[in-house]
Amino acid sequence: NAGVMQNPRHLVRRRGQEARLRCSPMKGHSHVYWYRQLPEEGLKFMVYLQKENIIDESGMPKERFSAEFPKEGPSILRIQQVVRGDSAAYFCASSPSLAKGDTQYFGPGTRLTVL
Amino acid sequence: EDQVTQSPEALRLQEGESSSLNCSYTVSGLRGLFWYRQDPGKGPEFLFTLYSAGEEKEKERLKATLTKKESFLHITAPKPEDSATYLCAVRDLYNQGGKLIFGQGTELSVKP
Repeated sequence: NAGVMQNPRHLVRRRGQEARLRCSPMKGHSHVYWYRQLPEEGLKFMVYLQKENIIDESGMPKERFSAEFPKEGPSILRIQQVVRGDSAAYFCASSPSLAKGDTQYFGPGTRLTVL
Repeated sequence: EDQVTQSPEALRLQEGESSSLNCSYTVSGLRGLFWYRQDPGKGPEFLFTLYSAGEEKEKERLKATLTKKESFLHITAPKPEDSATYLCAVRDLYNQGGKLIFGQGTELSVKP
């Protein structure tokens, strides 16, 4: 059973470009979470999605960031007009439901570097 | 505001030298406390979930315990392969989503 898959694993962008990060949840999981890990900082929640719905985006910056989880295909975190401060590791996690006992399983992350 | 604080920030042990990592938390209501292990350049790997004070869970050389204010991760006779950053996270009972609040982590180094 494949785990959470993220691609690309490493992404380099110049300031002002767009970054698209993809996440395929574990088989049978319909809940996806995105977290960001800035250098020397802990993991911070960004957004929680179910298929075709954003449930909680309280940790998402108001501008330039968006996320989706379409009916078909992976979840995508999109960062427009990247700035150097966006350089970080972005992790996706998935779970089967919100029921007590359902753990979030993390992917390997995408490391974004903004030049 | 929900908060998680881990101590120490870094811990160096000799192989076989047992110790404990601390995770103090403040949350409106605890739905669950989670321990993860993270190796450099990798994603967090799930270790344990604890739900109520007094609960304990074990896996190989690791044992996690929970009180109403903190959790401990006890490492018995560690080996070099236990070297990693250990992360603690909580889920708030009153948060309708599955958002986890993470601590800064404890970086463990075990020398042979």
